Amino acid sequence: TQLLEQSPQFLSIQEGENLTVYCNSSSVFSSLQWYRQEPGEGPVLLVTVVTGGEVKKLKRLTFQFGDARKDSSLHITAAQTGDTGLYLCAGESGNQFYFGTGTSLTVIP
Amino acid sequence: EADIYQTPRYLVIGTGKKITLECSQTMGHDKMYWYQQDPGMELHLIHYSYGVNSTEKGDLSSESTVSRIRTEHFPLTLESARPSHTSQYLCASSVGKSIQYFGAGTRLSVL
Repeated sequence: TQLLEQSPQFLSIQEGENLTVYCNSSSVFSSLQWYRQEPGEGPVLLVTVVTGGEVKKLKRLTFQFGDARKDSSLHITAAQTGDTGLYLCAGESGNQFYFGTGTSLTVIP
Repeated sequence: EADIYQTPRYLVIGTGKKITLECSQTMGHDKMYWYQQDPGMELHLIHYSYGVNSTEKGDLSSESTVSRIRTEHFPLTLESARPSHTSQYLCASSVGKSIQYFGAGTRLSVL
């Protein structure tokens, strides 16, 4: 089993603040995905990164894939209440997907 | 818009019952997956399929079985439900390098 550790596990911040969530592993992945999941729903794909060192931006969200393709970070600028949810990273290796432990984000108005 | 559907959304059953969770997708994806997830926690792979008549067990087969007779349909069956099976079950399909679509999930409670 390929373990993906996310940190922090829980994060509560005020609206307008910036934050960074981390996804770390000792394994190399062909690609890495980030998802956001709201209570009672399935995860929704936010981004896929494939190349080591790759940076992708999605409005206020910035995703980075580590140079060695073992880790990734998600940075949110000026968080909004709509960003509240469970953030999951997932690494793809050998046609299988391994999900991280998750970061539960609460943005307080 | 995700075109992957799971039924039922919620299910409460007694111990020992046999149940089938339904999953259908209309996108023609060859790869489909079943995951188990406790609230706010990570996803654990139960079963996956790379196409018709192809099924494999994941790390957490949890005494369940699946079938893939048609591309669009990937049902999960629990032969004898137990309280330890209480969880949320998520179905997903993929193409390319990422899982693109998840269903809304079935929340199962076994009494």
